[in-house]
Amino acid sequence: DVKVTQSSRYLVKRTGEKVFLECVQDMDHENMFWYRQDPGLGLRLIYFSYDVKMKEKGDIPEGYSVSREKKERFSLILESASTNQTSMYLCASSLWGTGGNNSPLHFGNGTRLTVT
Amino acid sequence: DAKTTQPNSMESNEEEPVHLPCNHSTISGTDYIHWYRQLPSQGPEYVIHGLTSNVNNRMASLAIAEDRKSSTLILHRATLRDAAVYYCILRAPTNFGNEKLTFGTGTRLTIIP
Repeated sequence: DVKVTQSSRYLVKRTGEKVFLECVQDMDHENMFWYRQDPGLGLRLIYFSYDVKMKEKGDIPEGYSVSREKKERFSLILESASTNQTSMYLCASSLWGTGGNNSPLHFGNGTRLTVT
Repeated sequence: DAKTTQPNSMESNEEEPVHLPCNHSTISGTDYIHWYRQLPSQGPEYVIHGLTSNVNNRMASLAIAEDRKSSTLILHRATLRDAAVYYCILRAPTNFGNEKLTFGTGTRLTIIP
């Protein structure tokens, strides 16, 4: 089974701190995604990457950056954490599609980040 | 991006079938319809997907309208473990990734014992 592992289940940080959220997948997937999930807003895409060193902005990239130096690892960086970044963060990965049929996403169990 | 519309919440009795609707009136001819669900305290998990024909797997069935403007996820015999948020999303085909994939707010399914 595909395993997507997020480094922390719960994280508490102070306003202004630099925060790293790590995600590792073990199935050689090309695509990796970072989402945040907030009550009433569903899952919103922050950034995604379809290859090593490639990154694309999602719907809400402001205040975040990402790094993909190795295929299996996709890091989300909060350069200066703010209280409005308190949220559940979810990482996902998938293979590239074949024949136009996109491969399912596999999600980690999330990191609940609290910024005080 | 093509958008989907789902009811915010639904309830169903245990051991009865559940039909979860999704409207996608602006779907393009090549978009696939995907369903995911999110159990409490977990990340979403893939359930099923289809293009035009109805699809079945061990988890559920997907019924797609002839005009493809709506679809229905069918859980044939709901159990308490099926209580989750169910997401219907559209995915444009791509062979090389670079897919900006967004989810909506989904349908929260409550199963009544």
